[in-house]
Amino acid sequence: GAVVSQHPSRVICKSGTSVKIECRSLDFQATTMFWYRQFPKQSLMLMATSNEGSKATYEQGVEKDKFLINHASLTLSTLTVTSAHPEDSSFYICSASPDVNTEAFFGQGTRLTVV
Amino acid sequence: GEDVEQSLFLSVREGDSSVINCTYTDSSSTYLYWYKQEPGAGLQLLTYIFSNMDMKQDQRLTVLLNKKDKHLSLRIADTQTGDSAIYFCAESTGNQFYFGTGTSLTVIP
Repeated sequence: GAVVSQHPSRVICKSGTSVKIECRSLDFQATTMFWYRQFPKQSLMLMATSNEGSKATYEQGVEKDKFLINHASLTLSTLTVTSAHPEDSSFYICSASPDVNTEAFFGQGTRLTVV
Repeated sequence: GEDVEQSLFLSVREGDSSVINCTYTDSSSTYLYWYKQEPGAGLQLLTYIFSNMDMKQDQRLTVLLNKKDKHLSLRIADTQTGDSAIYFCAESTGNQFYFGTGTSLTVIP
């Protein structure tokens, strides 16, 4: 099946710094990718929809200036957590699919810890 | 977003069957999915069912869909300790997914 690669799998950063997470579709092109966030013992929550060549669409309550999304090519979307705080510590997962009629494939997730 | 609900915990004995239930609200869902998440790992797609089907079987997994009641279930036959994980149901219309809270399955040896 199709593969979505997410990097890094784990990152620890200091408060106030920024962290970039990459999501790549390895064997297909994806005009749309999705970013999710999962708090401990909670479900995944959709944060934003990343659109290649245009601005991302953010879900209600998600700060677009804090979670910067760049979908620079058909195989790469990045999520940058700016000025990270301990409450941003979470598990972030991306997904992508070749088209709307095909199942979505998920990355392996990134465990972010802000200290 | 749409509302997708699951019970949080389930414990079964090894060798028994597990049944994980899910309810959802969006009647326009195209697909319904079951994902498995092991600690610290991403989501692994277990199976999915198209909304016009009412049952799908894949080896030890059986998915039942009651579209009228908007109820989805996943049955795992002969549950093994390696099945211990969190199971998420999800519904989608197009590319957008809505996930349940996840059910933590514990298999007791």
